[in-house]
Amino acid sequence: KAGVTQTPRYLIKTRGQQVTLSCSPISGHRSVSWYQQTPGQGLQFLFEYFSETQRNKGNFPGRFSGRQFSNSRSEMNVSTLELGDSALYLCASSEGQGGRQETQYFGPGTRLLVL
Amino acid sequence: AQSVSQHNHHVILSEAASLELGCNYSYGGTVNLFWYVQYPGQHLQLLLKYFSGDPLVKGIKGFEAEFIKSKFSFNLRKPSVQWSDTAEYFCAVATLGRLYFGRGTQLTVWP
Repeated sequence: KAGVTQTPRYLIKTRGQQVTLSCSPISGHRSVSWYQQTPGQGLQFLFEYFSETQRNKGNFPGRFSGRQFSNSRSEMNVSTLELGDSALYLCASSEGQGGRQETQYFGPGTRLLVL
Repeated sequence: AQSVSQHNHHVILSEAASLELGCNYSYGGTVNLFWYVQYPGQHLQLLLKYFSGDPLVKGIKGFEAEFIKSKFSFNLRKPSVQWSDTAEYFCAVATLGRLYFGRGTQLTVWP
């Protein structure tokens, strides 16, 4: 099976702009989670989508939003970009059965630089 | 909130040395535990996982980890490291529908 794919791989934006990142999960996986990775804060959970609904949400401001489509592909949007949003954004997919014994598989990430 | 602590920020070893990376978590309930590895220029990959049963779990590339419930620990071990094990290692705990990660341990192995 193909792994999790993310596009684009690199992005450069300026403060105040907005950005949309895309994630395609492993075939058959219905849950998509997003994480932000920075040197200062490490890996932090943003949100999780399952069946086109947000099922879990981390402690990020409302500028960070997402959605999931009927084919399980997901997008993440960040509006009014700030310098501190520069990070590696990781997408992970899992089968999404909702049980505890699930494994998340990660994509290569989108590296966002905000100038 | 759940917290995950990795005791070592950077570990430097020579090839053939033994490795143990510490990981402790704070949640007292039932958890699933993972170790992920990030090789230079590559994405996060699953090394091993613990859901239930035998607390000693074996993963890929000769890695193993031991879950000690009384100590809230899930330490990663490898008897003999190789240069190709140079990478960043992340401990993660799954609970309440999400993964909580430690800050990572950078392992450098000298040939």
